[in-house]
Amino acid sequence: GGIITQTPKFLIGQEGQKLTLKCQQNFNHDTMYWYRQDSGKGLRLIYYSITENDLQKGDLSEGYDASREKKSSFSLTVTSAQKNEMAVFLCASRLNWGGKDTQYFGPGTRLLVL
Amino acid sequence: GDQVEQSPSALSLHEGTGSALRCNFTTTMRAVQWFQQNSRGSLINLFYLASGTKENGRLKSTFNSKESYSTLHIRDAQLEDSGTYFCAAASNTGYQNFYFGKGTSLTVIP
Repeated sequence: GGIITQTPKFLIGQEGQKLTLKCQQNFNHDTMYWYRQDSGKGLRLIYYSITENDLQKGDLSEGYDASREKKSSFSLTVTSAQKNEMAVFLCASRLNWGGKDTQYFGPGTRLLVL
Repeated sequence: GDQVEQSPSALSLHEGTGSALRCNFTTTMRAVQWFQQNSRGSLINLFYLASGTKENGRLKSTFNSKESYSTLHIRDAQLEDSGTYFCAAASNTGYQNFYFGKGTSLTVIP
């Protein structure tokens, strides 16, 4: 089976800092996603990518950049961290084959901005 | 507005009992996925449905595209079932997007 890894697991930043989160998958899936989850809330889509070098904005893209350098990796950059911001960033990849259309999630990166 | 309305937002069950979670959709969805988010924050795939009903152990899920809803039934609840349950629906348009409900926080009480 495949796996999705996210680094770092925990990220502490300073206000105004640029912060980069990384995601790798070895499923060989085409589509990858970045979501943000705030405490006690659902997932909101930041960016997704349907193939290498493709980027599509989600509902929450303002304040973020993304990069799909190769099929297996998808990076997310917080362009200017907001003071007291605290959230979990979840990466997912998508299987769309053989009648199945499902997402597989990484373990998340927990962000705290001081 | 929200594409997916999930209810209840929170639920407490005694061990051995059961209940149902529900997601209503405001637009036509072609498929739904259910996840459990455990205490470590990991999202675990429970079901994928394009139609009909699937069962896995003590869990059963139904998706009715025409009537725009999906349900997740839990029976004989165990302590390890505690966590937050999310549905995610794939729209007929915006092909690559999944729309998430806000989750149901389930606490199983000994």
